[in-house]
Amino acid sequence: LAKTTQPISMDSYEGQEVNITCSHNNIATNDYITWYQQFPSQGPRFIIQGYKTKVTNEVASLFIPADRKSSTLSLPRVSLSDTAVYYCLVAIYGATNKLIFGTGTLLAVQP
Amino acid sequence: ETGVTQTPRHLVMGMTNKKSLKCEQHLGHNAMYWYKQSAKKPLELMFVYSLEERVENNSVPSRFSPECPNSSHLFLHLHTLQPEDSALYLCASSQVTSGRGEQYFGPGTRLTVT
Repeated sequence: LAKTTQPISMDSYEGQEVNITCSHNNIATNDYITWYQQFPSQGPRFIIQGYKTKVTNEVASLFIPADRKSSTLSLPRVSLSDTAVYYCLVAIYGATNKLIFGTGTLLAVQP
Repeated sequence: ETGVTQTPRHLVMGMTNKKSLKCEQHLGHNAMYWYKQSAKKPLELMFVYSLEERVENNSVPSRFSPECPNSSHLFLHLHTLQPEDSALYLCASSQVTSGRGEQYFGPGTRLTVT
């Protein structure tokens, strides 16, 4: 099973770009990489998903190197409201029981 | 509005009580999930239902009993719980059960077992 490793916490300031890296050394060929955001006492919210290279949407970018053993979530110009826990998730396409959430990264954005 | 609602939002129960958690999704999805989130631990997948059939049971104790009467509703029946079962219980849904689709989570039920 692909297991993920993320930093426990990160600090940033408003307006900065934040990059959170996730390691998934045992990622398999059919695995997709997904990132979720969670605020206290709320359910996680989907941010972005990718398989290789780069994916960008209106809130974030996801960079995946060729070997796919890691991925980096990039949040441009963070604000105080981006303070949350960010989870990297590796899931196998077509499988039902390979949804493995890591411990997450607590991002604290300061003014 | 996430499209997934959970009731109650908070629940306090004794170890001998029987209670149920309810989840409803308004997104027309085919898959529903129960997760447990304990303090300072990763989310733990408990059960997965696809088109009302249970397709995953991750070694969850029998004091937790899921029920999926239709594709929009999911219940978690609780009985004879232990204090260590206190946690945030999250329901989620997705269009498909594969890991590719995004999951939509409800706000969770904060359960305290006394």
